[in-house]
Amino acid sequence: QVQLQQRAAGLLKPSETLSLTCAVYGESFSGYYWTWIRQSPGKGLEWIGEITLSGTTNFNPSLTSRVTISLDTSKNQFALRLSSVTAADTAIYFCARGRIVGSSFFDYWGQGTLVTVSS
Amino acid sequence: DIHMTQSPSSLSASVGDRVTISCRASQSIRSYLSWYQQKPGKAPKLLIYTASVLQSGVPSRFSGNGSGTDFTLTISSLQPEDFATYYCQQSYNTLPLTFGGGTKVEIK
Repeated sequence: QVQLQQRAAGLLKPSETLSLTCAVYGESFSGYYWTWIRQSPGKGLEWIGEITLSGTTNFNPSLTSRVTISLDTSKNQFALRLSSVTAADTAIYFCARGRIVGSSFFDYWGQGTLVTVSS
Repeated sequence: DIHMTQSPSSLSASVGDRVTISCRASQSIRSYLSWYQQKPGKAPKLLIYTASVLQSGVPSRFSGNGSGTDFTLTISSLQPEDFATYYCQQSYNTLPLTFGGGTKVEIK
């Protein structure tokens, strides 16, 4: 049974760096796209970016200058860092497993973590 | 970016009703479309991928159709557990992957 478990989060001040991790249980990293997605009332669901086992990353062009996604195979987890946050980055952040079978989709999700940016 | 527009944004229906939700892409996305169901406080759940393929474990009352720019999600007989918000998501050629704005299905 594949499970994604998110850690950390909480309250950040503007200009700080958001750091989240997602622990993966019951699956190896090979063959999938390990993804971060966020959801805010104003912008709905927004794809942030992804990483593969080989370390290949892809990011949303609107965030690419501020985003880092990394993979730690020894801990079976992957991580998101988003620098210079503002109130617009306030959202629920989800990690997810991406697959491509015809279309690209997300079949397992973490529970979500609320991140609030406020001074 | 490819913009995804869902309609309606919300609807009221009764248990047993047939419900259809639409999703339109700003350009052709062939069949690179997925559908998700989200309940309050939970992560989205995959229902359908590649426009019409039912994810394992999803009840057969859910079906997806369409290609190009116009897609539909149909619930053939609405059940109490189906009251939720539904999202479409495209994955055609260029990044970023994008989602529709959602359709909230409420109890009439």
